[in-house]
Amino acid sequence: EAQVTQNPRYLITVTGKKLTVTCSQNMNHEYMSWYRQDPGLGLRQIYYSMNVEVTDKGDVPEGYKVSRKEKRNFPLILESPSPNQTSLYFCASSLNRVEETQYFGPGTRLLVL
Amino acid sequence: RKEVEQDPGPFNVPEGATVAFNCTYSNSASQSFFWYRQDCRKEPKLLMSVYSSGNEDGRFTAQLNRASQYISLLIRDSKLSDSATYLCVVNVLGTSYGKLTFGQGTILTVHP
Repeated sequence: EAQVTQNPRYLITVTGKKLTVTCSQNMNHEYMSWYRQDPGLGLRQIYYSMNVEVTDKGDVPEGYKVSRKEKRNFPLILESPSPNQTSLYFCASSLNRVEETQYFGPGTRLLVL
Repeated sequence: RKEVEQDPGPFNVPEGATVAFNCTYSNSASQSFFWYRQDCRKEPKLLMSVYSSGNEDGRFTAQLNRASQYISLLIRDSKLSDSATYLCVVNVLGTSYGKLTFGQGTILTVHP
């Protein structure tokens, strides 16, 4: 089944404890991105990647890192999480370009205490 | 001014009603426009792309007005299952390697 998977789906952590949220797609998509969704602010793009080893900042990159060493994986790294990073995170992918249909993962709910 | 703005609603309509949502965008260079649907904080899913000439998919019609920089979504004969949040999405930079900007979403509730 074609899909985007994220892990973990739910995470409670404490301030400063490094964490990684994994994202994987099995559709051979080149474009991948990360979003966070907050009430009243909608979905905001954190980082995106056009292809392996090609990443760029979105609208809200501060406090996040990403890597794209393989085409299928695009992990989101929070080196030192803070409470303002409590949010619902979505990973998405599309075949080649941003204008194509975006396929979203199921989301990761993160709570930073 | 926000790059993409939507009326957050909520819109509460009875089954069978026709409802329309508008979305405005600020960057005239924007090239790609979409409506996504999101159920109960689940992942967004593409509802339809919006083309310059307007397009229709069953009960859903999308329109683009470049002069006034807005797109619209019309839902006819509303069903209970149409209850969701509708997200207006714009490729603001108008480039293939750019980013997508999402509106806040419009909440629709269809009641019996």
